[in-house]
Amino acid sequence: AQTVTQSQPEMSVQEAETVTLSCTYDTSESDYYLFWYKQPPSRQMILVIRQEAYKQQNATENRFSVNFQKAAKSFSLKISDSQLGDAAMYFCAYRLYNQGGKLIFGQGTELSVKP
Amino acid sequence: EPEVTQTPSHQVTQMGQEVILRCVPISNHLYFYWYRQILGQKVEFLVSFYNNEISEKSEIFDDQFSVERPDGSNFTLKIRSTKLEDSAMYFCASSRGETGELFFGEGSRLTVL
Repeated sequence: AQTVTQSQPEMSVQEAETVTLSCTYDTSESDYYLFWYKQPPSRQMILVIRQEAYKQQNATENRFSVNFQKAAKSFSLKISDSQLGDAAMYFCAYRLYNQGGKLIFGQGTELSVKP
Repeated sequence: EPEVTQTPSHQVTQMGQEVILRCVPISNHLYFYWYRQILGQKVEFLVSFYNNEISEKSEIFDDQFSVERPDGSNFTLKIRSTKLEDSAMYFCASSRGETGELFFGEGSRLTVL
């Protein structure tokens, strides 16, 4: 069975600094997607970034980038130039390529940003 | 920007009562989902729904649960006879295509007493 693990329940970063959130996963499949979702307090989960497993190049979206290590089954999220609005719960998630919307989530990491 | 909306935001019910949680997916989306998160635990997949039928469901989604799209805009999750362990945050999501981005609602918190 596939599992996703986020070992950091809480992280803190100073505004304008860089922070990295960790995620590892376990799967025997080769075709899958990985995601980072952000959930601000009392708001919807929104997609931050997505990585296709077949792509070697790490995905980037503005200040957000990932370090995808397929052999190590690691998928960390780097947030550069952190802003107050980045404070949220961040979820790492996995989905098999052909399994539509069935996401498997990690436990989440709560990120706080200090001014 | 289009959003997935869920009602109620919080519902308190007595054990054994029926509960219906409602969701309005984004209008041009065709795939619909329910997830739940018990306090302190992971967000878990419950069910996916397409073309008026369940396309996949998890082990959690037993006979006490049902989903329907009664009127072409709402997507509902019904729990027939609630148990204490059904207390959780329930998230609705929708996507345009089967492998498209999921858009989540804010969640409905269910408390079973």
